[in-house]
Amino acid sequence: EVQLVESGGGLVKPGGSLRLSCAASGFTFSYYSINWVRQAPGKGLEWVSSISSSSSYIYYADSVKGRFTISRDNAKNSLYLQMNSLRAEDTAVYYCARSSGRYCSGGSCRASNWFDPWGQGTLVTVSS
Amino acid sequence: QSVLTQPPSVSGAPGQRVTISCTGSSSNIGAAYDVHWYQQLPGTAPKLLIYGNSNRPSGVPDRFSGSKSGTSASLAITGLQAEDEADYYCQSYDSSLSGSVVFGGGTKLTVL
Repeated sequence: EVQLVESGGGLVKPGGSLRLSCAASGFTFSYYSINWVRQAPGKGLEWVSSISSSSSYIYYADSVKGRFTISRDNAKNSLYLQMNSLRAEDTAVYYCARSSGRYCSGGSCRASNWFDPWGQGTLVTVSS
Repeated sequence: QSVLTQPPSVSGAPGQRVTISCTGSSSNIGAAYDVHWYQQLPGTAPKLLIYGNSNRPSGVPDRFSGSKSGTSASLAITGLQAEDEADYYCQSYDSSLSGSVVFGGGTKLTVL
């Protein structure tokens, strides 16, 4: 079974740091780009960061750029998110999600980027 | 404010058909980037519902269908069932943004 399991969430004070982990199983982790997506309480989904299969390409949302660092260890089938200088507005459930990049339809194939599967999420609360 | 605009809520009676719109612009949906849809049941993680505008993953009932035209996309649900009550999100790519992955604000579907 293809599975992603997040861990590392918790309560942290503003300005503090936290490191999230995402453990993958059931697929060849090193073949796929992986993402972090967050959801503030009662709000919608917000993409946070992406990392390519070999870590060559890394992207961040403007809201976390310079404060968060995404990384991966393909030997351990694991994804990480180092979060520094945390703010109250970073309070959210953080999901890791695998990018799935190519499909064929109507006789032609094309690259695309959808997220499947998702982990169950880990809650990060930033509060004094 | 999301780059992709969805109605905050829609509703329908069991057995009816509902549609959820996702409106973008020339830098995302209108630039021919694919739209994908997710269903999020209460208290759970999002689940892929439609990929590549109109393709259903295995296991997703054919009551769910997606389409795209111009700068908009739509998710249609026919034969509405109580278990369809959930939040629905569209997702695409935007060439004007860092990292480029964008989500709609989400639509709460209520089954009356």
